[in-house]
Amino acid sequence: QVQLVQSGAEVKKPGASVKVSCKASGYTFTDCWIHWVRQAPGQGLEWMGWINPNSSDTNYAQKFQGRVTMTRDTSISTAYMELNGLRTDDTAVYYCARVPSVITDYWGPGTLVTVSS
Amino acid sequence: QPVLTQPSSASASLGSSVKLTCTLSSGHSSYIIAWHQQQPGKAPRYLMRLEGSGTYNKGSGVPDRFSGSSSGAARHLTISNVQSDDEADYYCESWDQNPSFGGGTKLTVL
Repeated sequence: QVQLVQSGAEVKKPGASVKVSCKASGYTFTDCWIHWVRQAPGQGLEWMGWINPNSSDTNYAQKFQGRVTMTRDTSISTAYMELNGLRTDDTAVYYCARVPSVITDYWGPGTLVTVSS
Repeated sequence: QPVLTQPSSASASLGSSVKLTCTLSSGHSSYIIAWHQQQPGKAPRYLMRLEGSGTYNKGSGVPDRFSGSSSGAARHLTISNVQSDDEADYYCESWDQNPSFGGGTKLTVL
């Protein structure tokens, strides 16, 4: 069965960086794009960007360009999202999600990133 | 990029039916969407893919009580025989080069 397993919760200070991992299993990792989506407390879903694990091509939402980097390691079927220059309003749950063809069909459990001085 | 509009809240009595709506912006009325359910404190869960024709394909394990339909730019999610654990936020998603999400509808079960 398809599974996306994410790394554990993080607490960071403003200005720091965070790197969240998303390990895929149950399907061929390079067959589906991975989206990263975040959700601030009490808010809706916000798309951050996607990575094509096959080509490593990426596309980032304009809001995060210059601050986010998405990478992957096909040898261990894992995608990564690194966010730099953290601010308190980056406090959110960060989700990876599988996209086989345009639409998201599986979500990871989420990783809580708390930014606080 | 399609803009997806959802009512912020809806309610339904236990055992009744409820129809949630996601409306695509002008020029995007033929777009495919997905419906996702997010129960309190949990990650979103994919429910179904819904086409402009009304054809829908549900995710693995999604109960028969959930169905989809379309009318013009509107995409509907109908939940029959509403249960207490249907109380959740429901998001629609679409795609045009990049994904976009609706603001979500909070369903309260009375």
